[in-house]
Amino acid sequence: SQQGEEDPQALSIQEGENATMNCSYKTSINNLQWYRQNSGRGLVHLILIRSNEREKHSGRLRVTLDTSKKSSSLLITASRAADTASYFCATGLTGANSKLTFGKGITLSVRP
Amino acid sequence: GAGVSQSPRYKVAKRGQDVALRCDPISGHVSLFWYQQALGQGPEFLTYFQNEAQLDKSGLPSDRFFAERPEGSVSTLKIQRTQQEDSAVYLCASSWAGTGGSLDTQYFGPGTRLTVL
Repeated sequence: SQQGEEDPQALSIQEGENATMNCSYKTSINNLQWYRQNSGRGLVHLILIRSNEREKHSGRLRVTLDTSKKSSSLLITASRAADTASYFCATGLTGANSKLTFGKGITLSVRP
Repeated sequence: GAGVSQSPRYKVAKRGQDVALRCDPISGHVSLFWYQQALGQGPEFLTYFQNEAQLDKSGLPSDRFFAERPEGSVSTLKIQRTQQEDSAVYLCASSWAGTGGSLDTQYFGPGTRLTVL
């Protein structure tokens, strides 16, 4: 079963615009991670935010975490055509081993 | 340095055949994970090793699935008597975590795409 639910399922934007993707989850977590997957490729780790953190930045990426609402958002600023990919949020659960539980993913298309 | 590698990248099997999928984790990584990704879905956890010990195999869908990591490095996922529903991408990931905590980044390999005819 999948713990995370991403929203929207698909997003199409123009190059240069910002892309905001949301993730909700159900149980308590230790951390939440965002991954990118290009078609036919493996998962690339983007950013990890711990349950005691509220916001984190990495380059053009900004991630927020609201544990009271059990939700996270990933913002990509000044999008590029190369950002076209599927994006997944994954949670590491409190008390569990280190396995990650993924959502179904968001398909982002950035039009040049 | 080298990332996680998996082989073969693609595997076509006839229903009923046995297959073996290999994962070479990043050198020195203690934890190793296998995930299964169906088309259009997110990865789903199969099993977890800490060194050579298989600490969690709760995600293995049936007793036809077997994984091992005998020397705490390379791992093999074996599927016996493959069925069409086994068709998926099998992803391997490794991390530094040695305590079972959830705070370490998992680095994924490119995956093996298995097609069962």
